[in-house]
Amino acid sequence: AQSVSQHNHHVILSEAASLELGCNYSYGGTVNLFWYVQYPGQHLQLLLKYFSGDPLVKGIKGFEAEFIKSKFSFNLRKPSVQWSDTAEYFCAVNAQSSASKIIFGSGTRLSIRP
Amino acid sequence: GAVVSQHPSWVICKSGTSVKIECRSLDFQATTMFWYRQFPKQSLMLMATSNEGSKATYEQGVEKDKFLINHASLTLSTLTVTSAHPEDSSFYICSAFARGKNTEAFFGQGTRLTVV
Repeated sequence: AQSVSQHNHHVILSEAASLELGCNYSYGGTVNLFWYVQYPGQHLQLLLKYFSGDPLVKGIKGFEAEFIKSKFSFNLRKPSVQWSDTAEYFCAVNAQSSASKIIFGSGTRLSIRP
Repeated sequence: GAVVSQHPSWVICKSGTSVKIECRSLDFQATTMFWYRQFPKQSLMLMATSNEGSKATYEQGVEKDKFLINHASLTLSTLTVTSAHPEDSSFYICSAFARGKNTEAFFGQGTRLTVV
């Protein structure tokens, strides 16, 4: 069975600081990897996804993530955060088979000080 | 992108009553939909996988007789919380893959259920 670990429960940064949120997964087969964001009071939005090819994936709003297969990691990064990035971030994984279920990590709350 | 719509967005019900939540894929067909629940400040916990035309597959610890799932068509899945209790109060979210694709799931806006 798949599982996802997010090590940082709450991260507090100042505007313009660089961001890296950790994500590790556990699964014996080939996976698709996702980062979702949930702004306060809103529904989930997909930030980026990886399913094959270049392990460095670029998403919306200046976010990127790098898949390191040997480390089972898919960390999310942004070089310079903005106050509007304040949100909950979820790493997720599903197996590379037809429409397999997506399993979410526990989430990381990001707070940006103006 | 594809749109998944849930109805209602929020509902308040009395303890002991049943509540039905609908999840519709508006512009694509979804053979598989998923139901999650999210408690405040927590992650999404998968409850069940809803398959069109067949029985849902429930995750361990989820009572299938309490959370009835019906996936009657390629665009509609329903979750019925039967004999609701205050501890069932939560945010319920559905998601769906477009038919034949599994690289992006689309999420509904969620339904806030409050049982009083």
